[in-house]
Amino acid sequence: ETGVTQSPTHLIKTRGQQVTLRCSSQSGHNTVSWYQQALGQGPQFIFQYYREEENGRGNFPPRFSGLQFPNYSSELNVNALELDDSALYLCASSRSAGETQYFGPGTRLLVL
Amino acid sequence: QKEVEQDPGPLSVPEGAIVSLNCTYSNSAFQYFMWYRQYSRKGPELLMYTYSSGNKEDGRFTAQVDKSSKYISLFIRDSQPSDSATYLCAMSGEGTGANSKLTFGKGITLSVRP
Repeated sequence: ETGVTQSPTHLIKTRGQQVTLRCSSQSGHNTVSWYQQALGQGPQFIFQYYREEENGRGNFPPRFSGLQFPNYSSELNVNALELDDSALYLCASSRSAGETQYFGPGTRLLVL
Repeated sequence: QKEVEQDPGPLSVPEGAIVSLNCTYSNSAFQYFMWYRQYSRKGPELLMYTYSSGNKEDGRFTAQVDKSSKYISLFIRDSQPSDSATYLCAMSGEGTGANSKLTFGKGITLSVRP
């Protein structure tokens, strides 16, 4: 176990709704990165948060947004959900930006 | 062309076999090379981590990186049924933020038959 936790484990939403996913980083880690893993694919980088600031973003639209809190936990928010947003959402924490990333178990999102 | 290509699967081997998993990449900026193991419905678990070219061994696992050929491999000796999982190669560049993002291969599903 990596010590990275995510909630909820599963979620079902309908198209157009909004969703918030949560991640608690491993103790001593100040950086959280979020990834989207579609079925049968490798994870794709969404963005990274370092000390409460966004610190790099992948090729995802602005309706994907995030936050990092003073305790370094993080949220991923997705607005105006689309069917293609159905995926496993993974967060990974690291001791600092640029260091080894350790993944949580993921949140499985299904958009109907 | 994708930045990281991974041999397609699935792969099925008998218990005790030597397994070779491979990835190629196109981005010369990649400096860190990782192998993650992902069991069904779980998050990826870091198996091996290598900086630049060379070999690294950890128990039954050996990771090889050949930067001149842009090719990385993971070898599993004496494979066990518990090794049955999806194996993902991942790479990143120097620095932080988007430079440190992990770029993954598609993953290959390995099944080790008792």
